[in-house]
Amino acid sequence: AQTVTQSQPEMSVQEAETVTLSCTYDTSESDYYLFWYKQPPSRQMILVIRQEAYKQQNATENRFSVNFQKAAKSFSLKISDSQLGDAAMYFCAYRRSNAGGTSYGKLTFGQGTILTVHP
Amino acid sequence: DAGITQSPRYKITETGRQVTLMCHQTWSHSYMFWYRQDLGHGLRLIYYSAAADITDKGEVPDGYVVSRSKTENFPLTLESATRSQTSVYFCASSEGGSVTGELFFGEGSRLTVL
Repeated sequence: AQTVTQSQPEMSVQEAETVTLSCTYDTSESDYYLFWYKQPPSRQMILVIRQEAYKQQNATENRFSVNFQKAAKSFSLKISDSQLGDAAMYFCAYRRSNAGGTSYGKLTFGQGTILTVHP
Repeated sequence: DAGITQSPRYKITETGRQVTLMCHQTWSHSYMFWYRQDLGHGLRLIYYSAAADITDKGEVPDGYVVSRSKTENFPLTLESATRSQTSVYFCASSEGGSVTGELFFGEGSRLTVL
């Protein structure tokens, strides 16, 4: 079974600074997807960024980028120019590739990292 | 409005009572999921469904029952609630055949079992 580990229960950053959230995962598969979700106090789950394992290039979405190290099974999220609105719980998640069958779309989540942004 | 809605948003119940959390999506997504969120555990999959009348257990199914008679609805029932089922419950859906398999989440239902 796949597992996802976020070893940082809490992180903090000063506004306008950069912070990196860590995530490691365990899988025997070669093709999969990785995600970072943001959960603000409203509880809404918001997709931040997605990475396909077959792509060597790291995904980037505006101020958010990832460092995907496939051999090390590491998938960290970098937030640049942090803003007060970035304060939230962040979840790393794993999904198998389109293997068909009834298990398609299942995400396995890490424990979450609470990010605090100081003004 | 289109989307995925959960009800109730908040529920307090007593040990031993039956509780049903409702989930409705308007996208006609094939796949639907129920997760529970607990501090230190992240989100854990309870049950999922690939289509109407097709359901399967996730990581933590004990004490829960699901059904899916219609594509758009996926209710979760706690047949005899226990304190350990106090949690925030999320329903999610995804489109069958989607390359990315992105999940779309409801706003969550906070359940307290006294």
